[in-house]
Amino acid sequence: QKEVEQNSGPLSVPEGAIASLNCTYSDRGSQSFFWYRQYSGKSPELIMFIYSNGDKEDGRFTAQLNKASQYVSLLIRDSQPSDSATYLCAVNDYGGSQGNLIFGKGTKLSVKP
Amino acid sequence: DAGVIQSPRHEVTEMGQEVTLRCKPISGHNSLFWYRQTMMRGLELLIYFNNNVPIDDSGMPEDRFSAKMPNASFSTLKIQPSEPRDSAVYFCASGRGQETQYFGPGTRLLVL
Repeated sequence: QKEVEQNSGPLSVPEGAIASLNCTYSDRGSQSFFWYRQYSGKSPELIMFIYSNGDKEDGRFTAQLNKASQYVSLLIRDSQPSDSATYLCAVNDYGGSQGNLIFGKGTKLSVKP
Repeated sequence: DAGVIQSPRHEVTEMGQEVTLRCKPISGHNSLFWYRQTMMRGLELLIYFNNNVPIDDSGMPEDRFSAKMPNASFSTLKIQPSEPRDSAVYFCASGRGQETQYFGPGTRLLVL
């Protein structure tokens, strides 16, 4: 059973701080990693993807991938109350259906003003 | 560009009734996914189409659920008969055959 694990939270950080969201995955062959943000009552929205080991930065967001440890993280710098949402980690279904993703259950982030 | 379109946005029905959810993927996308999301189970893949052909339906809970994609711009998910435990948010997502998926607004289904 392929699994993507996330701490459900809630993760609470003060405004302006760095929020660190973590995700581990079970399938060592996985090659593509995604972070989605989901506001309450809304649909998941893609915010970043990463394919290679190391860091990938996009504005205030940095995705970090360590395939040896089967670990991917999302850092949010200068956190804002508008970042309060649930963050879903997703991993490609390596060896399964091409194009399919396996989602974690998400980490709820709360940024306090 | 229009995103993924789903209808209805909300559906309230009684146990035993047939429910049909509809999805129009983003033009040019050749992959379509139906998901169900609940607090308890998170986001679950129900079925995945590629070029209108069902590729993986292992997530479909039981025979009460069926999905079709008659053409590249339309898909339906049908539940017959519906049960209270089917109450959830149903999302449709589309992609271009790679893994990036774009989600529709969802249909909130409540079965009484």
